[in-house]
Amino acid sequence: AQSVTQPDIHITVSEGASLELRCNYSYGATPYLFWYVQSPGQGLQLLLKYFSGDTLVQGIKGFEAEFKRSQSSFNLRKPSVHWSDAAEYFCALSYGGATNKLIFGTGTLLAVQP
Amino acid sequence: DGGITQSPKYLFRKEGQNVTLSCEQNLNHDAMYWYRQDPGQGLRLIYYSQIVNDFQKGDIAEGYSVSREKKESFPLTVTSAQKNPTAFYLCASRTMTGHSGANVLTFGAGSRLTVL
Repeated sequence: AQSVTQPDIHITVSEGASLELRCNYSYGATPYLFWYVQSPGQGLQLLLKYFSGDTLVQGIKGFEAEFKRSQSSFNLRKPSVHWSDAAEYFCALSYGGATNKLIFGTGTLLAVQP
Repeated sequence: DGGITQSPKYLFRKEGQNVTLSCEQNLNHDAMYWYRQDPGQGLRLIYYSQIVNDFQKGDIAEGYSVSREKKESFPLTVTSAQKNPTAFYLCASRTMTGHSGANVLTFGAGSRLTVL
């Protein structure tokens, strides 16, 4: 069965430090993968997506993610974190063929220290 | 600007009452979705609809009902049969034309329901 795992529930980084959020998936075919960000009490905003092709995808706000099929991973990275990046981050996988349903990971809450 | 409007943002309900959460989109999207979000559990799919007058159950449909009488509207009713309705509810939509855009969901700002 398909699944998405985000091993880190909570991460704290210092402003200006680099960031990597982990995401592992389980799916029998080539996945469509996404990273969304959610500010407190708000909806989700798409950061980036992977459908096919180049395994390093660029997104908004300086984020990037790398798809590694051999490791079933789609980790999110940012070279220098800003205080405004504090939020919850969700990795998601699209499945279901024409219905294109999304399954989400449980999220990683990012705190940024000054 | 186009987007998804959810209302109310906050709602309090007594046990045994049904409540309806509104979701309206002006993106001309075909498909609409309702997700429930609980701390530490991510988002779980309640119902979805790909066309007017048709909808399907998601993973946690028990205690909920929906309708899709208009393309732009997809209200969710939380019935008294839902055992633990206190949660944050998110509505989303997507187009079903083309390829790269077909899988991307646009989300509303959410509605927080608290049962007293």
